[in-house]
Amino acid sequence: AQSVAQPEDQVNVAEGNPLTVKCTYSVSGNPYLFWYVQYPNRGLQFLLKYITGDNLVKGSYGFEAEFNKSQTSFHLKKPSALVSDSALYFCAVRDSPLWGNNRLAFGKGNQVVVIP
Amino acid sequence: NAGVMQNPRHLVRRRGQEARLRCSPMKGHSHVYWYRQLPEEGLKFMVYLQKENIIDESGMPKERFSAEFPKEGPSILRIQQVVRGDSAAYFCASSPTTRGKRDQPQHFGDGTRLSIL
Repeated sequence: AQSVAQPEDQVNVAEGNPLTVKCTYSVSGNPYLFWYVQYPNRGLQFLLKYITGDNLVKGSYGFEAEFNKSQTSFHLKKPSALVSDSALYFCAVRDSPLWGNNRLAFGKGNQVVVIP
Repeated sequence: NAGVMQNPRHLVRRRGQEARLRCSPMKGHSHVYWYRQLPEEGLKFMVYLQKENIIDESGMPKERFSAEFPKEGPSILRIQQVVRGDSAAYFCASSPTTRGKRDQPQHFGDGTRLSIL
């Protein structure tokens, strides 16, 4: 089965500093990777995806992610964190081998706290 | 353009009762996925449906849980004879027809928070 791991529980960063949220993946075949963000009592919002092509993927709200095949990683980054970026971040991978079934397997999530 | 609508947002049931969770996908979306989020955990896939068809129910508990997506109306996740362990947030996500595309992001509703007394 495909899976992703988010090794850290919480990421603390000062406002204005670079933000990195780590994700590693384990897949057979080509990975289809996603990042989502969840604010309190809300659903998940799509940030970005990697399918093929450039290893650096740009997404919403100034976020980007770097796909690294040799390290099987897909870390989420933002050059300058905002207090409003404080939320729960989920890495996910398309999990089904069946064509058309786009179910996702999620990591456990990382709580990001941006300190003013 | 309305997003994925889930209701109710909060649902309280006593042990042994039935819970019905509803999900209306985004306009034009014909694929619905249900996920469950337990406290302090990530989301776990439950079931994938298209109109009038269950495509993948590999994540559904074998008993008490069922799902449908009728030709008309919302998708329903039904939990019979609820137990305390069913307390969780249940999220619905929708995507447009894949037409062979494997990279369609899913759009999530705000979830139903189910509490069992």
